[in-house]
Amino acid sequence: DGGITQSPKYLFRKEGQNVTLSCEQNLNHDAMYWYRQDPGQGLRLIYYSQIVNDFQKGDIAEGYSVSREKKESFPLTVTSAQKNPTAFYLCASSRTSGRIGTGELFFGEGSRLTVL
Amino acid sequence: AQSVTQLGSHVSVSEGALVLLRCNYSSSVPPYLFWYVQYPNQGLQLLLKYTSAATLVKGINGFEAEFKKSETSFHLTKPSAHMSDAAEYFCAVSEVDSSYKLIFGSGTRLLVRP
Repeated sequence: DGGITQSPKYLFRKEGQNVTLSCEQNLNHDAMYWYRQDPGQGLRLIYYSQIVNDFQKGDIAEGYSVSREKKESFPLTVTSAQKNPTAFYLCASSRTSGRIGTGELFFGEGSRLTVL
Repeated sequence: AQSVTQLGSHVSVSEGALVLLRCNYSSSVPPYLFWYVQYPNQGLQLLLKYTSAATLVKGINGFEAEFKKSETSFHLTKPSAHMSDAAEYFCAVSEVDSSYKLIFGSGTRLLVRP
């Protein structure tokens, strides 16, 4: 079955450590996204990528980094510079068509990061 | 930039009662609009979407939403709530540029009382 796989589902980190969250999709989608979810704040966009080897900052990119070396993969690194990294992280992908995409996102199951 | 407002962070209904979750967007150009549902510790699942075709959109699990341009609204309804509808619901709007980004509201948690 096609879909998006995020790993790990739960992750604990000590302060000062970098961690990388994995996101893999087999939907053949061009665009991929990382969102952060905090209670009562909805989803906030961290980074997005419309094509391999290209990505753009979202609204809260500080303290995060990404790469897009393959169409299927879009890993997110939470660096020690992120002041409040404890959150639920969601990866998503979408098919893009024309100048304006339909915007429909397909989500993974999420990764919950807790900083100890 | 687009924005989305969801009125009410929590909505509580009795089983069998009407569900109404409110969403207003800010845009002078009719955008694409979406409703997503999230169950605890899971990702989001698309309920329905408006893409400038019919203004009344039917989705999965008996939900529907009506696009009202004059009110810049896209409220989600279901005639009869079921216990399994208890979840968090997010309204989202797409940017009307080439960024393909979705802007999400802050979410509404639906509680269904037996």
